[in-house]
Amino acid sequence: GQSLEQPSEVTAVEGAIVQINCTYQTSGFYGLSWYQQHDGGAPTFLSYNALDGLEETGRFSSFLSRSDSYGYLLLQELQMKDSASYFCAVRVINQAGTALIFGKGTTLSVSS
Amino acid sequence: DAGITQSPRHKVTETGTPVTLRCHQTENHRYMYWYRQDPGHGLRLIHYSYGVKDTDKGEVSDGYSVSRSKTEDFLLTLESATSSQTSVYFCAISGTELAGNKTDTQYFGPGTRLTVL
Repeated sequence: GQSLEQPSEVTAVEGAIVQINCTYQTSGFYGLSWYQQHDGGAPTFLSYNALDGLEETGRFSSFLSRSDSYGYLLLQELQMKDSASYFCAVRVINQAGTALIFGKGTTLSVSS
Repeated sequence: DAGITQSPRHKVTETGTPVTLRCHQTENHRYMYWYRQDPGHGLRLIHYSYGVKDTDKGEVSDGYSVSRSKTEDFLLTLESATSSQTSVYFCAISGTELAGNKTDTQYFGPGTRLTVL
């Protein structure tokens, strides 16, 4: 089976840097994705790592170490609007196609 | 934004009644998914479709069935709703054929809040 572990809550102040970790156990691994969800809204795609290393997209970066079954999302120059839930997800491949299995999410609270 | 809508957006029903939720896309994407989201559980996959009339079960498929007769529509049916199926239901779509390091971005609909009394 598949399982993902991430912290349930993280707090930080505006302008700070925060890292949200994700460890996973999967029977097959085809990439780690990150999604953001604001309260009451739909999840939206942030980033994707299939290979080891760091991917940078503006203030957000995502890192993957396949040998450690570990990844993280790094948010820099935090803003109040970054307060949201963040989900890591792994791709599951089976004979029928593909799907994503999500972690339980990390609630980030940014204060002024 | 991907063209994906869900209907209804809110529904209150009674235990034992059938309920059908609809997901409609205008992107002509191949893959469609139904998730439920509950506090403390994140997003859990119920069923997904990889083409017209092609569907498969996800993590939490018991009590749910799906149908996809057209590319643009994916229906989720609760044959006999129970209180444990009170949740927020999200539909998602993706179109990428997965190979190598191509991403599998999923685009989510706005969600349906279902309450089973």
